[in-house]
Amino acid sequence: KQEVTQIPAALSVPEGENLVLNCSFTDSAIYNLQWFRQDPGKGLTSLLLIQSSQREQTSGRLNASLDKSSGRSTLYIAASQPGDSATYLCAVFESNFGNEKLTFGTGTRLTIIP
Amino acid sequence: DGGITQSPKYLFRKEGQNVTLSCEQNLNHDAMYWYRQDPGQGLRLIYYSQIVNDFQKGDIAEGYSVSREKKESFPLTVTSAQKNPTAFYLCASSIAGWRRNQPQHFGDGTRLSIL
Repeated sequence: KQEVTQIPAALSVPEGENLVLNCSFTDSAIYNLQWFRQDPGKGLTSLLLIQSSQREQTSGRLNASLDKSSGRSTLYIAASQPGDSATYLCAVFESNFGNEKLTFGTGTRLTIIP
Repeated sequence: DGGITQSPKYLFRKEGQNVTLSCEQNLNHDAMYWYRQDPGQGLRLIYYSQIVNDFQKGDIAEGYSVSREKKESFPLTVTSAQKNPTAFYLCASSIAGWRRNQPQHFGDGTRLSIL
């Protein structure tokens, strides 16, 4: 059974710093890995999707990497801003005998201190 | 604007009562999903549907039921058999499920509480 872990559960950094969020998964037979952002009381916003054949994806100040063989992904946020404060979730997409699903980590709650 | 609309935003259930959560999307997506989010546990898949008139159980389907009569709608019923229904429920959709490298789009959720 796939397990996705995100450590730490919470992180606070001063504004302007670069930071890295970590995600690990136990079964490397995935189709893709996705990073989402969730604001309090809201749904999820897709940030980046990395296909299993890719090593990284970039969008603005965000860069996500994927090392499928070691079961790890990182989300790098450059020049952090207070608006980046949110919970960040990673999820892996699998397909087993037609049963397709995303398995989510429990998230890292990020606070950017002005 | 295209997107996913969940209603109501807040819902209260009495003991023994069934309640239905609405999810509508105008993204022309084939696949739709229901997740439950509890503090400290992340999102867990309840049901998903890859095409109209077809749906599959997820990891925690007991006590829930769904229907998919229209492409744009995927309502979730929380039945009285679900003994711990208090949670945040999220609906999502994506381009055809078998196109596996498409992101899922989420609604803003419904928070269900027990009276």
